[in-house]
Order: sequence, then structure tokens, then C-alpha cells
Amino acid sequence: RKEVEQDPGPFNVPEGATVAFNCTYSNSASQSFFWYRQDCRKEPKLLMSVYSSGNEDGRFTAQLNRASQYISLLIRDSKLSDSATYLCVVEVNTGGFKTIFGAGTRLFVKA
Amino acid sequence: ETGVTQTPRHLVMGMTNKKSLKCEQHLGHNAMYWYKQSAKKPLELMFVYNFKEQTENNSVPSRFSPECPNSSHLFLHLHTLQPEDSALYLCASSQDRTGPNTEAFFGQGTRLTVV
Repeated sequence: RKEVEQDPGPFNVPEGATVAFNCTYSNSASQSFFWYRQDCRKEPKLLMSVYSSGNEDGRFTAQLNRASQYISLLIRDSKLSDSATYLCVVEVNTGGFKTIFGAGTRLFVKA
Repeated sequence: ETGVTQTPRHLVMGMTNKKSLKCEQHLGHNAMYWYKQSAKKPLELMFVYNFKEQTENNSVPSRFSPECPNSSHLFLHLHTLQPEDSALYLCASSQDRTGPNTEAFFGQGTRLTVV
């Protein structure tokens, strides 16, 4: 089983749609969680951290379910500029901190 | 403009060549990383340096040799690579590697092709 698993997509949605990505992780020692965004041929950049209580940043909402070991990202009112790959990232504390990236979910938002 | 700069952006090398990738960060960070990103695969962490000391080497073949002369610079020396080593090599930095919630800042990567 992969340590961090994501649906690779691609997700093809029209502008204005709501889209949700899920991510599951296998290590119960996972401590911190993030969503990164990677545009085509660009480097990954932090989109948002994911907190236990859930958090929102504009049109983006992140949720964490520790019991089921999954993280979600909800994008409301999709824009063309949201087209990118969304990487689920988990930080595991195993005596030292280890950062594990998912393979990413590709999103295409079309006019 | 990124605080992490990688050179070169593109590199084509033969299997018998020796080349080096360079990474420089201007963020005052103490941890630096090399990642490999192959098509449709997760980022693979290769090496971690924390305060100039190598703290992780994730079973990377010896044909990849990192060097960290100071907290701002990181190199990846390449020799006798294989075609399957062709990938995007990303450098990243973070404040340090001693605590959680560590945001990583990435360079734009070096697109390496081994022929």
C-alpha cells in the first residue's frame, strides 16, 4: 500500500463547478498535513496546511479525518486558473520528520 | 521570483558524462533537499541536509552524490547515469528539519535527460 494515495484523475470540470479531492495515508504517526499545488512544468508550491478542525482559505476548504486517515480538499466556484496538479503531503514523525508526497491529482477546469 | 534557484534548468547528458546540478536558496533556511520527480510518480526524496549535515539518504544509487558546502548551497553531482534517471530534479529548502509543519519552498527544477 502506498504511504500517501491520491486519485490521479484527471478531473475535468466546467468553470464554476465544485470539485473535491481525497487523499488517504497509511502511517498513523502522521502528524502534519498539507496540500501543494503544481502547475504544468513548474515547481510545487504550498496551497494550504490542513488542521484537525478543518480550515478554509477563500474558495478552498481542507478537512482532516484522523480516524479514517484521509484528507480532503474542496474547491468551490472553480476558475480556469485552478487547473493544476494538487499534491497531498503528509509529515510523519518517526523520531525524525519525514515528508511524503502523494503522486498528485490532475485538475482541468474548462470554460 | 523564487527564493530557491536551480541551475541549469535543462540538461542533456550522455551516460559517460559527469555533470553537477546547483541549488541556491536566499531564504535563510537551514534545511535543503533533493527530490526526483518522474512522470506520473510521487516526488521521491533523495537527500536531506539539515544545518549542512546530511541527515537522510533514501537508498539513492552512488552515481548521485550530494554536496552541501554551506546552508545556502546544495549540489548534486552526477556520473555514469542511466536513461531511467531522466526526470525533473527539484531542490527545496525549509526553515529546518527539527520540527513539524515545515513548509518546503521549491526551486523550478532541472529537467535532466540521459541519452
